Amino acid sequence: DSGVTQTPKHLITATGQRVTLRCSPRSGDLSVYWYQQSLDQGLQFLIQYYNGEERAKGNILERFSAQQFPDLHSELNLSSLELGDSALYFCASSVETEQFFGPGTRLTVL
Amino acid sequence: GNSVTQMEGPVTLSEEAFLTINCTYTATGYPSLFWYVQYPGEGLQLLLKATKADDKGSNKGFEATYRKETTSFHLEKGSVQVSDSAVYFCALSSGGYNKLIFGAGTRLAVHP
Repeated sequence: DSGVTQTPKHLITATGQRVTLRCSPRSGDLSVYWYQQSLDQGLQFLIQYYNGEERAKGNILERFSAQQFPDLHSELNLSSLELGDSALYFCASSVETEQFFGPGTRLTVL
Repeated sequence: GNSVTQMEGPVTLSEEAFLTINCTYTATGYPSLFWYVQYPGEGLQLLLKATKADDKGSNKGFEATYRKETTSFHLEKGSVQVSDSAVYFCALSSGGYNKLIFGAGTRLAVHP
């Protein structure tokens, strides 16, 4: 158990819908990262927050957004969902260089 | 840009065989290098890491040495077990924000 929690574990929704994925980092970790794992694109970095502020952005679509709250949990919002958004979404938190990954949320868009 | 290339799988071995999974990288500056493992149905776990040239990371019998001259970080284990069956990801982080760039992953299947 990495200490990073993600909810929900599975999410099934339809095209055009909007969903919110939630992540709670390990106690004391200020950085939160979001990654997407799909069959065609592999594991890709989406976005990083540090203590409530956006730190770095990767291959994140404009339809996706994220935020980190004062209690340090983070949410990833995915809107106008497309079939190609079906993937595993991982959250990680870190102290220095080592990142600890949550179990992931599997999103299926039908 | 920064990138990681690792050998394609699947790699299929018998128990107690020697394992090598090749990983090479392209990066500006001095990246930190990592191997992560993903067991079926689970998230990623850090297996080992190295933060500077010639460092050797090791854990659970796995080893990898950071080779700057060949830009490589190959994963090795002398004697694999069935429980090592998983997907292995090579990754790097570079620059100030520690975002990870992953290779495509290599699936390892170990048979008794």
